[in-house]
Amino acid sequence: AQSVTQLGSHVSVSEGALVLLRCNYSSSVPPYLFWYVQYPNQGLQLLLKYTTGATLVKGINGFEAEFKKSETSFHLTKPSAHMSDAAEYFCAVSDPGGNTGKLIFGQGTTLQVKP
Amino acid sequence: DTEVTQTPKHLVMGMTNKKSLKCEQHMGHRAMYWYKQKAKKPPELMFVYSYEKLSINESVPSRFSPECPNSSLLNLHLHALQPEDSALYLCASSPGQGGYGYTFGSGTRLTVV
Repeated sequence: AQSVTQLGSHVSVSEGALVLLRCNYSSSVPPYLFWYVQYPNQGLQLLLKYTTGATLVKGINGFEAEFKKSETSFHLTKPSAHMSDAAEYFCAVSDPGGNTGKLIFGQGTTLQVKP
Repeated sequence: DTEVTQTPKHLVMGMTNKKSLKCEQHMGHRAMYWYKQKAKKPPELMFVYSYEKLSINESVPSRFSPECPNSSLLNLHLHALQPEDSALYLCASSPGQGGYGYTFGSGTRLTVV
């Protein structure tokens, strides 16, 4: 069965500092991988995704993530944090062989950005 | 149109009421989903519709009843809910198989009193 682990339920960075949110997955086959962001009282917005091909994926708002099969990881980074990045971030996986694209979410990481 | 629209945005209902949540998308997506999300938790899958047919029911209590009248519309009928059912209910859609990710609506904040 697939699973996702996000290391650190709460990450705090200063404005302008590097953002690193960690995600590890467990899957018998290389899955599809996603990062979503959720602002308070809103739905989830897709930041970026990895399916096949280039392992470094660039997303919206300056975020990027690298798929590392050997480490079963898909960590999210941003070189310089902005106050507007404060939100809840979810890593998710889906089974490439599935018929409905069912997503399995990690527990989420709250990103706090300090001025 | 690249959005999933959910109505209402907020709903307060008593435990004996019957209400419905509505979700609409016009992206031609063939899979639609209902998720329940409690505060500070990830979304929990409730139902999946694929090509207008219910394909996954994650052992959801019968007081939640989904309906997919057509390929653009998804409803969630609520009856005799409990206070612990209070949560953010999210609808999402996807073109189909897993590589596309979901497009989420902004959710309905449900409070059961």
